[in-house]
Amino acid sequence: QKEVEQDPGPLSVPEGAIVSLNCTYSNSAFQYFMWYRQYSRKGPELLMYTYSSGNKEDGRFTAQVDKSSKYISLFIRDSQPSDSATYLCAMIATSGTYKYIFGTGTRLKVLA
Amino acid sequence: DSGVTQTPKHLITATGQRVTLRCSPRSGDLSVYWYQQSLDQGLQFLIQYYNGEERAKGNILERFSAQQFPDLHSELNLSSLELGDSALYFCASSPPQGGAEKLFFGSGTQLSVL
Repeated sequence: QKEVEQDPGPLSVPEGAIVSLNCTYSNSAFQYFMWYRQYSRKGPELLMYTYSSGNKEDGRFTAQVDKSSKYISLFIRDSQPSDSATYLCAMIATSGTYKYIFGTGTRLKVLA
Repeated sequence: DSGVTQTPKHLITATGQRVTLRCSPRSGDLSVYWYQQSLDQGLQFLIQYYNGEERAKGNILERFSAQQFPDLHSELNLSSLELGDSALYFCASSPPQGGAEKLFFGSGTQLSVL
């Protein structure tokens, strides 16, 4: 079983829809939680990061962490065709062996 | 532009050969990370250096090695290449303090082993 699980998609939504992207994890040592966006053939770009459970908002993006359920989410409001990309969750374990682990990514396509 | 520079952008080589990938981190960043990305495995962490010292090791094969030089640029050496080593190799850097969670990625080196 992978330490971080992410549905690969693809996920197709109409423009303006609310998108929900999720990851689950199994390692309680993960303390930092990040979301990256990756356009085709480009390097991942950090979108958001959180340290604790709860919500964090940045413009149209909201990151949610539930440590008790080992579940994190990224919500995109008013989705745009330019949001079409692969979204990767990432987590850092700082106790024991240091790990910076990525999910496999979810491909999102926003249709105009 | 993330500020992380990777060269070359594309590399085509044959099985059994050896290649070197190069990375220059963002100005001021001391950490360099190497990742391998393939379609079926996603982003796999290979190795991290901090100010010239190896900090963490992931799923890096013994045929692969890396180092970080005094000017902070890093090189990833891949030897005895196999078909399965074909992948996108990314380098990333992070700020020296209070920003280890923020990785800034280069645009990658696409390696094709024929």
